[in-house]
Amino acid sequence: GESVGLHLPTLSVQEGDNSIINCAYSNSASDYFIWYKQESGKGPQFIIDIRSNMDKRQGQRVTVLLNKTVKHLSLQIAATQPGDSAVYFCAETYSGNTPLVFGKGTRLSVIA
Amino acid sequence: EPEVTQTPSHQVTQMGQEVILRCVPISNHLYFYWYRQILGQKVEFLVSFYNNEISEKSEIFDDQFSVERPDGSNFTLKIRSTKLEDSAMYFCASRPGTGKSTIYFGEGSWLTVV
Repeated sequence: GESVGLHLPTLSVQEGDNSIINCAYSNSASDYFIWYKQESGKGPQFIIDIRSNMDKRQGQRVTVLLNKTVKHLSLQIAATQPGDSAVYFCAETYSGNTPLVFGKGTRLSVIA
Repeated sequence: EPEVTQTPSHQVTQMGQEVILRCVPISNHLYFYWYRQILGQKVEFLVSFYNNEISEKSEIFDDQFSVERPDGSNFTLKIRSTKLEDSAMYFCASRPGTGKSTIYFGEGSWLTVV
């Protein structure tokens, strides 16, 4: 089952390195996925999205990869900066009309 | 850039009291949501609202909760009789229309029930 509470997977990276954050989603019918960044005490901030008819999408310094076969999503951040330190959540929905379901989150810590 | 705004940013209330959390969604958006996040946990769906009615709600959204769009801009979440376990960050969100469109979140209202 899922773990709840204060324990979040944590990824620590050196400033300038690339980061890869992974997410396993739950519903094989989900066809729209979003990555959100959440800084302490703030709301989720949209980073990038991807539809199920794609397996890769690139933004500015970020890339999302989707593997529908194993229900896996990843977020790659190039040249990670201290300002990237936050908790990152993936979220899934079916056709955008069902409520977003959030994953557990990964805390990214950037070491300067 | 347009954004979802929420008030208050933080509210402390006595157990059993009523609380109203307010949101102004992005102006041309049609779908509105409330989510909550208990400290250290993931964001959980509460309710979605479209065309002046609830379109979907979760098990968390029991009879103690209600939502309203009293005018063309505000979207409120009311908790009738707060419990200690209602302490959480409550996020309002909105999106433009049907299909796969991005959902934008507000900065949240932190509710502490004592």
